[in-house]
Amino acid sequence: DIVMTQSPDSLAVSLGERATINCKSSQSVFYSSNNKNQLAWYQQKSGQPPKLLIYWASTRESGVPERFSGSGSGTDFTLTITSLQAEDVALYYCHQYYSTPYTFGQGTKLEIK
Amino acid sequence: EEQLVESGGDLVQPGGSLRLSCLASGFTFETYGVHWVRQAPGKGLEYVSGISSHGGSTYYADSVKDRFTVSRDNSKNTLFLQLRSLRTEDTAIYYCVKASRSGFDPWGQGTLVIVSS
Repeated sequence: DIVMTQSPDSLAVSLGERATINCKSSQSVFYSSNNKNQLAWYQQKSGQPPKLLIYWASTRESGVPERFSGSGSGTDFTLTITSLQAEDVALYYCHQYYSTPYTFGQGTKLEIK
Repeated sequence: EEQLVESGGDLVQPGGSLRLSCLASGFTFETYGVHWVRQAPGKGLEYVSGISSHGGSTYYADSVKDRFTVSRDNSKNTLFLQLRSLRTEDTAIYYCVKASRSGFDPWGQGTLVIVSS
């Protein structure tokens, strides 16, 4: 199974500042058939199901604010939130859908400093 | 609007069984793989099981293999998860998700399974 490891486990950032969450996979999730990294990021607010933010490592889902961006390839990925807003307080998960079982990172809790 | 609605969660004793259902709407169900993901109280997301569009392939996490069985009825746009030999550590919200080239989207609201004596 592919192990997904996020860092840090929790993060406190001031409003308007940048938040960066890292995700490392135990093997590459780059799919040569479509030249895409099979890596997604989800946001989960308290009491709600997760919501897809980013797919293919760097493609923003429709309706997701531009302050959310994803980068990386192969085994190392980053979710960046520029200019943090109060409504961004949530848990964030990376997820590989390259091979089954489709595993998740352990989650990163983002709070306001 | 694509939607998934889970049902069937309940309080069950250790060793017991339960069948979860997930009714899909707003998309052509038979053309997508669908999966179950669970979240124990205060914990992260754990992949549980999945099934390909026409049911020919099934997938399981090691933690549930040989105890859970996934199936689907494309004529009823419904995904199922049969849970057997339940353990306290199976206590969680079980989410149904549609798989696409962009990952898992949408997610249902989840159904709560509590395994306790």
